[in-house]
Amino acid sequence: DSQMTQSPSSLSASVGDRVTITCRASQSISSYLNWYQQKPGKAPKLLIYAASSLQSGVPSRFSGSGSGTHFTLTVSSLQPEDFATYYCQQSYSTPITFGQGTRLEIK
Amino acid sequence: EVQLVESGGGLVQPGGSLRLSCAASGFTFSSYEMNWVRQAPGKGLEWVSYISSSGSTIYYADSVKGRFTISRDNAKNSLYLQMNSLRAEDTAVYFCARDPRLYGGHQFDYWGQGTLVTVSS
Repeated sequence: DSQMTQSPSSLSASVGDRVTITCRASQSISSYLNWYQQKPGKAPKLLIYAASSLQSGVPSRFSGSGSGTHFTLTVSSLQPEDFATYYCQQSYSTPITFGQGTRLEIK
Repeated sequence: EVQLVESGGGLVQPGGSLRLSCAASGFTFSSYEMNWVRQAPGKGLEWVSYISSSGSTIYYADSVKGRFTISRDNAKNSLYLQMNSLRAEDTAVYFCARDPRLYGGHQFDYWGQGTLVTVSS
């Protein structure tokens, strides 16, 4: 199984800040990496697929990069609606696995 | 508008069974692969099961293999999850999610609102 490890587990930041979340895979997953945003009581929302492709309708302040075992999600300038929990997910092989999540909180 | 609506959750005793349903609308259901993903209270996301558009290919997480069965009825635009031999650790919100297979991988681009399954005596 490909284990996914996100860092940090939680992060405090201010509106306007640039933040980066990291996701590491236990083995190479090529570019089969997706990022989701989840707000309390809501379903997750797909932000980035194939490591760096922006899902339709997602603001351009979100970007993804990486391949192999190391990936990042960057928010260039945090907006109030961006405070949420973020998950990475690999689909290189089954079982499909998620990272444990990164909670982004307002400082 | 794409919509996925889960139903069938509830309180069940350990060892019991439940059947979840997911009604799809706003897209050609028979053309899309589908998944179930769950989230235990206060915890992260866990993929549960996948089914291809025709139903011919199915995968399960090890944690549910042999106990859960995924199926679909393309004529009824519906996805199902039959859950048997339920355990306390199966307590979670269960989401159905559409899988567009962009760039050959699995992504979940539309999700239902989720249905809560509670396994407790």
